[in-house]
Amino acid sequence: DTEVTQTPKHLVMGMTNKKSLKCEQHMGHRAMYWYKQKAKKPPELMFVYSYEKLSINESVPSRFSPECPNSSLLNLHLHALQPEDSALYLCASSQEGREVSGANVLTFGAGSRLTVL
Amino acid sequence: GIQVEQSPPDLILQEGANSTLRCNFSDSVNNLQWFHQNPWGQLINLFYIPSGTKQNGRLSATTVATERYSLLYISSSQTTDSGVYFCAVELYSNYQLIWGAGTKLIIKP
Repeated sequence: DTEVTQTPKHLVMGMTNKKSLKCEQHMGHRAMYWYKQKAKKPPELMFVYSYEKLSINESVPSRFSPECPNSSLLNLHLHALQPEDSALYLCASSQEGREVSGANVLTFGAGSRLTVL
Repeated sequence: GIQVEQSPPDLILQEGANSTLRCNFSDSVNNLQWFHQNPWGQLINLFYIPSGTKQNGRLSATTVATERYSLLYISSSQTTDSGVYFCAVELYSNYQLIWGAGTKLIIKP
């Protein structure tokens, strides 16, 4: 079983809906990540939280809004998405953030597969 | 920017066969990780290997940093080894991870 838990596993939403993806880890990791993965492509980094603060936003559109309520939880709020946003959304954690070399050995969740109609 | 190339892009083998996957990178890097993504999307970190050789069961990895490549060896393949294998390198400058395009491995029973 993965030590990073993502919910829901599958989500179908319309372009006017508001939904959220959730991620939880209990490994004591201080950095958490959101990645987006399209079919047959490697994961693309979206956001990094380090010590509960947003440290990296890879120019992600504002219709994606991350939130880190505490060191164990990471949310991704979705609003007014487009069909091209349909993808597998992966959460990951690491002991430290990208401020420290070699510390970003990632543990991934199983992903949330999002379909936007 | 740095280029990360994986080969072969696709590999189909019979159960029990051995395989070697390669990851080439165009510049010096801090470290390198190998991941396996199963057909359902779960990504597992296999190795964190900036240099040298590591082994974990039927899998082993070797990184020759001076020659800018890493190899992942899978021995006695099982159907559960199927999926996509990614390498990702960490840049010196900002510790960003750069991913290769992956090798899709299919193990037939």
